Amino acid sequence: DAGVIQSPRHEVTEMGQEVTLRCKPISGHDYLFWYRQTMMRGLELLIYFNNNVPIDDSGMPEDRFSAKMPNASFSTLKIQPSEPRDSAVYFCASSFSENYGYTFGSGTRLTVV
Amino acid sequence: KQEVTQIPAALSVPEGENLVLNCSFTDSAIYNLQWFRQDPGKGLTSLLLIQSSQREQTSGRLNASLDKSSGRSTLYIAASQPGDSATYLCAVGSSNTGKLIFGQGTTLQVKP
Repeated sequence: DAGVIQSPRHEVTEMGQEVTLRCKPISGHDYLFWYRQTMMRGLELLIYFNNNVPIDDSGMPEDRFSAKMPNASFSTLKIQPSEPRDSAVYFCASSFSENYGYTFGSGTRLTVV
Repeated sequence: KQEVTQIPAALSVPEGENLVLNCSFTDSAIYNLQWFRQDPGKGLTSLLLIQSSQREQTSGRLNASLDKSSGRSTLYIAASQPGDSATYLCAVGSSNTGKLIFGQGTTLQVKP
């Protein structure tokens, strides 16, 4: 298995632009999580899905952030419009069930200038 | 609200030493606890997962313990090596939702 695959690895964009981050979870994993990591706040859970359904989006910072999971093998996290304070590393993770550990992707390093 | 704390924030030891990393959590009603390793600029690698009914888990030179009643977990690394240098993160699953809450991590440096 190739693990959790995220794209792009790096993204540099100008303030105000739309940014879309992508994630392919491990096949058969029912849970998908989006996290954001910064030096100041560490790892923060943004949203997670179970069987493609958003379960908890209380960590999504603002309406500028949205996430979708149209099928079991693909999820997107969109920021529109982007702001410099959105600069962070965004991780996607998946899990087989609540009894199993997470597998993380390599992350997308987002820089908004 | 569950809060996870890791002490110390940074640790430097000479090669060969045995060491302990600490993790504490405020709500003892946890579902599981997971230790991760993160290398600079990389993603997180799962090291050990302890279910709430378990007291410890071992993998090679690593041993993680869990004491729910006191809200603590420790990660023991035996005979440390320079390759163990990384940030170690503790994460707590607070319910059967699969949702993990992370500590801020302990950055370990093992000097040759």
